[in-house]
Amino acid sequence: DIVMTQSPDSLAVSLGERATINCKSSQSVLYSSNNRNYLAWYQQKPGQPPKLLIYWASIRESGVPDRFSGSGSGTDFTLTISSLQAEDVAVYYCQQYYFTPPYTFGQGTKLEIK
Amino acid sequence: QVTLKESGPVLVKPTETLTLTCIVSGFSLTNARMGVSWIRQPPGKALEYLAHIFSNDEKSYSTSLESRLTISKDASKSQVVLTMTNMDPVDTATYYCARIRRDYDYVWGTYTSGAFDIWGQGTVVTVSS
Repeated sequence: DIVMTQSPDSLAVSLGERATINCKSSQSVLYSSNNRNYLAWYQQKPGQPPKLLIYWASIRESGVPDRFSGSGSGTDFTLTISSLQAEDVAVYYCQQYYFTPPYTFGQGTKLEIK
Repeated sequence: QVTLKESGPVLVKPTETLTLTCIVSGFSLTNARMGVSWIRQPPGKALEYLAHIFSNDEKSYSTSLESRLTISKDASKSQVVLTMTNMDPVDTATYYCARIRRDYDYVWGTYTSGAFDIWGQGTVVTVSS
């Protein structure tokens, strides 16, 4: 199975500042035939189900604020929140959907306000 | 509006079989672009994929739990059912169903894998005697 490793495990950022979360896959999730990275990012607020933020590594899901962006290719990916808002406090997960089954998730990164 | 809703027992005893149902609305289980997956989350822990199924009955399971899981669907009832045998206290978790949204690859004439775009609210299952 592909292992997804996120860093850091937790992060505290001041309101209005940039937050960066990293995700590394044990194998490349880039499919050369279509040049797509099979990587998604999810946000989970306390007591709620996960919400899809980013797919194909960099495509924002409809309705997701543009302060959220995804980047990277192959095995290394980044989720960036350009200007942290109070409502962004959550746990963030990356997920690969290239080598399936299984669809593997990272261990999560807890984002808090400093 | 697309929704998924999980249901099942709140409490099961060790060694019992768990049966969970996911009722979907706003899309059809006959749509080849869509699938349904089950994912669980133990208290305070990360998400864990369990199984998924597509319209053609293509199904797959978690490598570590495959021997205990069975997924099925009834498109006429818009429902997907997951059974997990031999439940243990470590299986205590919130169980989610989610829609898988695939793209069609016109070059290869196949459906690509996809992300989980809509999730249910989850159902909490506790395993205890």
